[in-house]
Amino acid sequence: QKEVEQNSGPLSVPEGAIASLNCTYSDRGSQSFFWYRQYSGKSPELIMFIYSNGDKEDGRFTAQLNKASQYVSLLIRDSQPSDSATYLCAVTGDYKLSFGAGTTVTVRA
Amino acid sequence: DVKVTQSSRYLVKRTGEKVFLECVQDMDHENMFWYRQDPGLGLRLIYFSYDVKMKEKGDIPEGYSVSREKKERFSLILESASTNQTSMYLCASSPQATGEQYFGPGTRLTVT
Repeated sequence: QKEVEQNSGPLSVPEGAIASLNCTYSDRGSQSFFWYRQYSGKSPELIMFIYSNGDKEDGRFTAQLNKASQYVSLLIRDSQPSDSATYLCAVTGDYKLSFGAGTTVTVRA
Repeated sequence: DVKVTQSSRYLVKRTGEKVFLECVQDMDHENMFWYRQDPGLGLRLIYFSYDVKMKEKGDIPEGYSVSREKKERFSLILESASTNQTSMYLCASSPQATGEQYFGPGTRLTVT
């Protein structure tokens, strides 16, 4: 079982819609959770982090964490063409971050 | 803002050459990391360092070595480049080993 699994993409959403990205992790002891955005040919950029159960909102992004279910998600509201990218989920492990394979989102104008 | 820089954006080397990739961060972070990223394989950790002169193997250290002589600088060395080391190489730094990581722009290395 992979340490971090993300829903397979690609995910195509119309402009203005909500994009929902999911991530599950295997290490019940994980404490910190991160979402990165990576544009094609560029490096990952940190967009959200969450440490506590519940929701955390930052502009059009909302991260949701449920440690009991070992599940973290990212919602992108009012999706824009500029949101088209690959989103990576990262979870703390023993001594490092473990990254998911990523979900590619395409926002259709 | 955290700034992580890498010595080259694009690099082309021949098989058997020794290759140096350098990474510099300006935020006084203790921890630095080297990854490679390949289509379908995601980010894979090569080496990391939690202090000057300290290094730890990641998931795929074979064929690579690292050097950290100064806190702000972390170098990745390919002793004898091979075609299967053609990849995007990403450096990152972090204030804690399991904290948020900040990535450099990446070096796309092609070995011919």
